[in-house]
Amino acid sequence: AQSVTQPDIHITVSEGASLELRCNYSYGATPYLFWYVQSPGQGLQLLLKYFSGDTLVQGIKGFEAEFKRSQSSFNLRKPSVHWSDAAEYFCAAPGGKLIFGQGTELSVKP
Amino acid sequence: DTGVSQDPRHKITKRGQNVTFRCDPISEHNRLYWYRQTLGQGPEFLTYFQNEAQLEKSRLLSDRFSAERPKGSFSTLEIQRTEQGDSAMYLCASSVTQGPGELFFGEGSRLTVL
Repeated sequence: AQSVTQPDIHITVSEGASLELRCNYSYGATPYLFWYVQSPGQGLQLLLKYFSGDTLVQGIKGFEAEFKRSQSSFNLRKPSVHWSDAAEYFCAAPGGKLIFGQGTELSVKP
Repeated sequence: DTGVSQDPRHKITKRGQNVTFRCDPISEHNRLYWYRQTLGQGPEFLTYFQNEAQLEKSRLLSDRFSAERPKGSFSTLEIQRTEQGDSAMYLCASSVTQGPGELFFGEGSRLTVL
């Protein structure tokens, strides 16, 4: 069965530092992959998506993610984190419907 | 495009009462999904519709839960005889049929069962 794993439950970074959030998937075919962000008490907003082609995809708010088939990974990165990036981040892959990872909570230190 | 809207945003109820949530998807989207999210967890799939047909239900959807989409537009999710374990955020999302299935989410309906 398809699954999505986010190994890090909580990450804290300093404002201005770089960020990488990990996502691993288990999927038979070439997957479509997504990253969503959720602010407290809010719904989910799509950050970026990978369908095919270029393995480095750009998203909103300065985020990017790289698809690595050999590692079954789709890690989310940002070169310089802002305090407003503090939120919960979810990786997702289709399995008929979207299957979500457990999420990574990002805290940003001033 | 008004996005996906959900109502009510918050509902507090006593155990044993029935509650109903409504979701209005993006107008041109023919797929509609319900997810449940508890604190510290990712959204868990409950059910989805294509137009008015309910195509899949999760085992999480006990017989106390029922979802409808009678005219292929808005959808309702009803929980009968609520239990404290039903306390969660109920998220609705919609999408088009073709393509890789990017979902557009509403703000969610938070249920608290006392």
